[in-house]
Amino acid sequence: DTGVSQDPRHKITKRGQNVTFRCDPISEHNRLYWYRQTLGQGPEFLTYFQNEAQLEKSRLLSDRFSAERPKGSFSTLEIQRTEQGDSAMYLCASSRPGTGGFTDTQYFGPGTRLTVL
Amino acid sequence: LAKTTQPISMDSYEGQEVNITCSHNNIATNDYITWYQQFPSQGPRFIIQGYKTKVTNEVASLFIPADRKSSTLSLPRVSLSDTAVYYCLVGRESGGYQKVTFGTGTKLQVIP
Repeated sequence: DTGVSQDPRHKITKRGQNVTFRCDPISEHNRLYWYRQTLGQGPEFLTYFQNEAQLEKSRLLSDRFSAERPKGSFSTLEIQRTEQGDSAMYLCASSRPGTGGFTDTQYFGPGTRLTVL
Repeated sequence: LAKTTQPISMDSYEGQEVNITCSHNNIATNDYITWYQQFPSQGPRFIIQGYKTKVTNEVASLFIPADRKSSTLSLPRVSLSDTAVYYCLVGRESGGYQKVTFGTGTKLQVIP
């Protein structure tokens, strides 16, 4: 279990540019979540994948945001035409369905901090 | 999902037991309670999860009364490295995945 990894850890970009982040989940986890966290707030749900299928998207995920998980392993989150309001920490989490009547446990990566100038 | 309410901040001296209480008045029958810890510039780290009564692991205990409208995270003998933000979440399996909502958390400051 090597944990969830995210790349890059930091990204600075100019308004209007496109950015892409990558998440590598724990290998046996088929569930993958993306969250966004702004300063002083808890993480907010963006989207969810089960294997390669994107099953849920938050209303926070505007049409400038797109996420993929092409082979059910790593995932990418792309933001097009970035705006200053997109500045935040983008977190990825992975899990597998709970057993024994319990819900799953989401394991988070270190996050990608995006700064839009 | 039920909204959670926690104190915004708490201070504790090193070596003391810390109890952080979370209110979730509208918790539903199939909702679970989970606590996460987050250090600056890191992702949240799972601490403990429970449904009712008491759960204990190597780092914390979680107390949930019978009505489940609140829960208390207990950290025994805190150290300076426990200074972090602690989030209480209520979540459930819905639509094939775990739906959770993070609040603003409790910022715990451990004082030497």
